[in-house]
Amino acid sequence: EAGVTQFPSHSVIEKGQTVTLRCDPISGHDNLYWYRRVMGKEIKFLLHFVKESKQDESGMPNNRFLAERTGGTYSTLKVQPAELEDSGVYFCASSQDRGQGNIGRGYTFGSGTRLTVV
Amino acid sequence: AQRVTQPEKLLSVFKGAPVELKCNYSYSGSPELFWYVQYSRQRLQLLLRHISRESIKGFTADLNKGETSFHLKKPFAQEEDSAMYYCALKDQGAQKLVFGQGTRLTINP
Repeated sequence: EAGVTQFPSHSVIEKGQTVTLRCDPISGHDNLYWYRRVMGKEIKFLLHFVKESKQDESGMPNNRFLAERTGGTYSTLKVQPAELEDSGVYFCASSQDRGQGNIGRGYTFGSGTRLTVV
Repeated sequence: AQRVTQPEKLLSVFKGAPVELKCNYSYSGSPELFWYVQYSRQRLQLLLRHISRESIKGFTADLNKGETSFHLKKPFAQEEDSAMYYCALKDQGAQKLVFGQGTRLTINP
């Protein structure tokens, strides 16, 4: 099966610009997660979709970040306007099972998008 | 609050030597812990989970609740073990992982 795909792999934008990251989960996976790793810090949870619904968005840093998953398939994460501190690697992951017992085991991660804001 | 600490950002050992990557956590309930690995130019992938008590690629990790630790160990390191390793804790009640900062392991020939 195809894995989790993220576009673009790298993005360099100027402060104040808008960037949209995309994640295509494994087909049939209801759960989709966004994480990010800011330079020198740990990977942090951003939000979790179950199909098209936001199950948990407690990790979203502020209202400059907007995530969508229209139709419950691919997801986009838009940063508008981008700030310097948004630089980092943004990871997407998907899983099929809804049961919490599958957390961790059921995750398949994408390769990440490296975002650099200058 | 849940927290995972990996005190070593960098760890370098020689091939054939034992390796231990440290992980400590703080969590009020019964934790579920994992080790993830990211090899060069590859995606993040699950290495092992404490509940399965398995050994993957020669690595083991034992949960020590008294010391709140989940250190990753391998008796004889191989060059292909060079990678970034992340310890993670499952936040019960929410389907998300709390990660440590990661340790970059380098195995020297």
